[in-house]
Amino acid sequence: QKEVEQDPGPLSVPEGAIVSLNCTYSNSAFQYFMWYRQYSRKGPELLMYTYSSGNKEDGRFTAQVDKSSKYISLFIRDSQPSDSATYLCAMSGGDNTGGFKTIFGAGTRLFVKA
Amino acid sequence: EPEVTQTPSHQVTQMGQEVILRCVPISNHLYFYWYRQILGQKVEFLVSFYNNEISEKSEIFDDQFSVERPDGSNFTLKIRSTKLEDSAMYFCASRQRPVSPSPLHFGNGTRLTVT
Repeated sequence: QKEVEQDPGPLSVPEGAIVSLNCTYSNSAFQYFMWYRQYSRKGPELLMYTYSSGNKEDGRFTAQVDKSSKYISLFIRDSQPSDSATYLCAMSGGDNTGGFKTIFGAGTRLFVKA
Repeated sequence: EPEVTQTPSHQVTQMGQEVILRCVPISNHLYFYWYRQILGQKVEFLVSFYNNEISEKSEIFDDQFSVERPDGSNFTLKIRSTKLEDSAMYFCASRQRPVSPSPLHFGNGTRLTVT
């Protein structure tokens, strides 16, 4: 079983739709959960960062973490064509010996049609 | 906002040649990383570096790879004898002190093409 599973898509939605992206993971040691956005031929850009279970909201973006189910989600409200990108989930443990190594999902390609 | 910068943006080299990829992490960050992304594939961890030594490295990071922080600002990845399969985007990342763990901040990458 992969450490982090993420459906690669592509996911195509009309402008204004609510987008739901998610990842599952197997390592219960993960405590820090992140969502990155990556445009073509660019580096990943941090969108959301959460610790442990719960919700976090930032503008049109909401991140949810359910550690009991080992499941994380990112919701995008009122999606815009500029949201078209690849969305990477990422997570790391609380153990300092590995330098807090961050593991990435495969990324979901999102297309928002005008 | 401070950012991680990487040079060059694109490097073309012949198989068997040595390449050095350069990174300037965010100035108050102490943990440094290299990741690799082969075209169309996931972002893969290569190595983490803290306090002038490697903290962890992946299976990909074999003897052909080395990292160095030659001065107070640069962080480099050297590939000693490049192979065709080393062609990929290489991303440098950094993070703040681990007192309160913080997420990675990435540069825009160096696209390495090995011919």
